[in-house]
Amino acid sequence: AQTVTQSQPEMSVQEAETVTLSCTYDTSESDYYLFWYKQPPSRQMILVIRQEAYKQQNATENRFSVNFQKAAKSFSLKISDSQLGDAAMYFCAYRSSFNYGGSQGNLIFGKGTKLSVKP
Amino acid sequence: DGGITQSPKYLFRKEGQNVTLSCEQNLNHDAMYWYRQDPGQGLRLIYYSQIVNDFQKGDIAEGYSVSREKKESFPLTVTSAQKNPTAFYLCASSIGWEPLHFGNGTRLTVT
Repeated sequence: AQTVTQSQPEMSVQEAETVTLSCTYDTSESDYYLFWYKQPPSRQMILVIRQEAYKQQNATENRFSVNFQKAAKSFSLKISDSQLGDAAMYFCAYRSSFNYGGSQGNLIFGKGTKLSVKP
Repeated sequence: DGGITQSPKYLFRKEGQNVTLSCEQNLNHDAMYWYRQDPGQGLRLIYYSQIVNDFQKGDIAEGYSVSREKKESFPLTVTSAQKNPTAFYLCASSIGWEPLHFGNGTRLTVT
């Protein structure tokens, strides 16, 4: 079974600085998807960025980028020029590309990293 | 605007009572999911459904039940058999391999 591990329960960053959140995963599959979701105090889950495992190029979305190391099974999120609105829980998630008994789409989540942004 | 609506936002029940959480989507998504979130935990899958009239158990289905009579609706019933029902519940939907869209969640408190 696949697992996702986020080893940093809490992180803190100064406004305008850069922070990196770590995520490792375990799988025997060669093709899959990885995601970072943001959960602000409103508790709405918001997709930040996604990565297809077959793509070697790291995904970027404005100030958010990932460092995807497939061999190391690592998927870290870098937030540049941190803003107060970035303060939230961040969840790393894995999705298999195989459809086991109709399980297509199921996400496996890490336990999350709480990010604080200091003004 | 298309989206997923969960209601109510807060729900209070007495121990021993069944309670149903509503989830409606107008995104025309085929698949729908229920996740449970506890403090310090990630989201854990309760049930999922890929098509109408079909659904599968997730990792923590015990004490829960669902139905999928319409494409738009996927209600979750928390039964009295669920030992620790107090939690935050999130509903999601998706189509194909597109990322999941989530509702705003329901906070259930059982005393």
